Amino acid sequence: ETGVTQSPTHLIKTRGQQVTLRCSSQSGHNTVSWYQQALGQGPQFIFQYYREEENGRGNFPPRFSGLQFPNYSSELNVNALELDDSALYLCASSLGGTVATGRQYFGPGTRLTVT
Amino acid sequence: AQSVTQLGSHVSVSEGALVLLRCNYSSSVPPYLFWYVQYPNQGLQLLLKYTSAATLVKGINDFEAEFKKSETSFHLTKPSAHMSDAAEYFCAVSDFGGGSNYKLTFGKGTLLTVNP
Repeated sequence: ETGVTQSPTHLIKTRGQQVTLRCSSQSGHNTVSWYQQALGQGPQFIFQYYREEENGRGNFPPRFSGLQFPNYSSELNVNALELDDSALYLCASSLGGTVATGRQYFGPGTRLTVT
Repeated sequence: AQSVTQLGSHVSVSEGALVLLRCNYSSSVPPYLFWYVQYPNQGLQLLLKYTSAATLVKGINDFEAEFKKSETSFHLTKPSAHMSDAAEYFCAVSDFGGGSNYKLTFGKGTLLTVNP
């Protein structure tokens, strides 16, 4: 148990639609990162939020956006869904620090299928 | 940009045999390196990490990895495989760019099968 939960577990959407995925972190975890894991691939970094502000982004277009809330929950929003957006979406939270001194806790993921 | 290459998308061993999962990295600066395990329908769990202290890193469940700068490698080993070790394993490297403290670049993963 990592204390990180994600909802929903599975989701099916149609191309062109919009989707919101949710993550609930452990209390006090002020940093959350989102990753996209396509089938047969390793996770790819989408972006990170620290104290409710985006402070790092990977090679993903602006239609991928996020929010982090004071209650340690966060959202990943994807507009204008494309077939290639089908993947497992993982969130990971951490209690400050850096990648060397701290530790990320991953949630179980949301499986998104775009048809 | 940093990158990770995992050699072998699928490794099969017998129960009790040595486990060796290979990872090579590319980095222009001394990296931080990680091994994660992913069980079906679960998130990633940290096995161990290298942060420029000891080059031999011990992790959970008797896994260990050795950082070899000359070979740019960070292979994961376990002396004796257990059925419960069957899972997908990911090697990752930290990325200092973009102001992100926790951005990781992952390899494509190695699926470990343990045969009875």
